[in-house]
Amino acid sequence: NAGVTQTPKFQVLKTGQSMTLQCAQDMNHEYMSWYRQDPGMGLRLIHYSVGAGITDQGEVPNGYNVSRSTTEDFPLRLLSAAPSQTSVYFCASTRSPTNEKLFFGSGTQLSVL
Amino acid sequence: TQLLEQSPQFLSIQEGENLTVYCNSSSVFSSLQWYRQEPGEGPVLLVTVVTGGEVKKLKRLTFQFGDARKDSSLHITAAQPGDTGLYLCAETYSGAGSYQLTFGKGTKLSVIP
Repeated sequence: NAGVTQTPKFQVLKTGQSMTLQCAQDMNHEYMSWYRQDPGMGLRLIHYSVGAGITDQGEVPNGYNVSRSTTEDFPLRLLSAAPSQTSVYFCASTRSPTNEKLFFGSGTQLSVL
Repeated sequence: TQLLEQSPQFLSIQEGENLTVYCNSSSVFSSLQWYRQEPGEGPVLLVTVVTGGEVKKLKRLTFQFGDARKDSSLHITAAQPGDTGLYLCAETYSGAGSYQLTFGKGTKLSVIP
């Protein structure tokens, strides 16, 4: 059982480039989410999804797009990378977002130059 | 969403010492989760507390949920180097179809051998 798989592990972009961070889970979880983690700022929610075809914004959605075409996959797209998006990104999933365990991937460290 | 305050922000102690970290809010928690995050990894759930006054134990870790459900604490007895990591509390906000798990900024614990 792989759990939550994120790729790539590390990425360096130039300002203005686009890229997609991949996230896949094999636990048949309906709820998936993306967080960014910055020093001294904790984990901040970017976007989340309560099921295939349904997405919503979190605390810091600007500059990011998401889609949820299948239960398993929840990619995060940066359309035009900016240095302010340098961060560590975590994908997470759970069967239920209320009172149930959130399973995290191991993260993607992104640097935008 | 509500603001979660964690204290202290940093804590460095010697192996064998006891410690307590705190998570507070101005609003009432519906439930609270504690996670531990090790360097280069995603957070891992330690415990969920739901009932005011609840106490849960996980080996040398004791979790308390305040009677008014506005605060929680994590006490570690006889800390070991393996306890080193970032301790995060998290609260689920749900309403009008929105489900957001909000994290505090964390307490970074270093246990020195």
